[in-house]
Amino acid sequence: QKEVEQDPGPLSVPEGAIVSLNCTYSNSAFQYFMWYRQYSRKGPELLMYTYSSGNKEDGRFTAQVDKSSKYISLFIRDSQPSDSATYLCAMSGGNAGGTSYGKLTFGQGTILTVHP
Amino acid sequence: DTAVSQTPKYLVTQMGNDKSIKCEQNLGHDTMYWYKQDSKKFLKIMFSYNNKELIINETVPNRFSPKSPDKAHLNLHINSLELGDSAVYFCASSQDLWGAYGYTFGSGTRLTVV
Repeated sequence: QKEVEQDPGPLSVPEGAIVSLNCTYSNSAFQYFMWYRQYSRKGPELLMYTYSSGNKEDGRFTAQVDKSSKYISLFIRDSQPSDSATYLCAMSGGNAGGTSYGKLTFGQGTILTVHP
Repeated sequence: DTAVSQTPKYLVTQMGNDKSIKCEQNLGHDTMYWYKQDSKKFLKIMFSYNNKELIINETVPNRFSPKSPDKAHLNLHINSLELGDSAVYFCASSQDLWGAYGYTFGSGTRLTVV
């Protein structure tokens, strides 16, 4: 079993839809949770960062972390064609990760297409 | 004024050759990383350096040797290239040792071994 499992998709939605992206994980030491967006032939770009459990909102994006269920989500409201990309969840144990230090463990990525 | 820059962007080379990829960050970050992204887009850590000191060395063949001359630079040298080394290699940096504020990634080096 992988440490981080991400719904593989692909997802195809109409413009304006609400998109839900999800990851589950098995390592209870994870305490930093991130979402990255990667456009084709580009590097991953940090979208959202959350420490421990809770919600965080930034414009059209909301990240949720439920450590008790080992489950994280990213919601995109009013999705736009420019949101079409691969979305990667990532997490690390931070200073609780022991010798792993800043090692980020990624999910497999979900390809999202938003069509006009 | 790119934050994390890698060169070259593309590298096509024959099996058995030796090649290097260079990375530089101008963010003042303490920690730098090499990640490998396979054909299925899965990103996996290879190495991390903090202030020129090797911190993480995942189970990577010893044909791969990272070098950090200073905390702003992290290079990756690969000896005796194999077909299976074909992938996109990303350099990244983080403010601290734990990546607590996320990483900043470069735009990648697409390596093709023929």
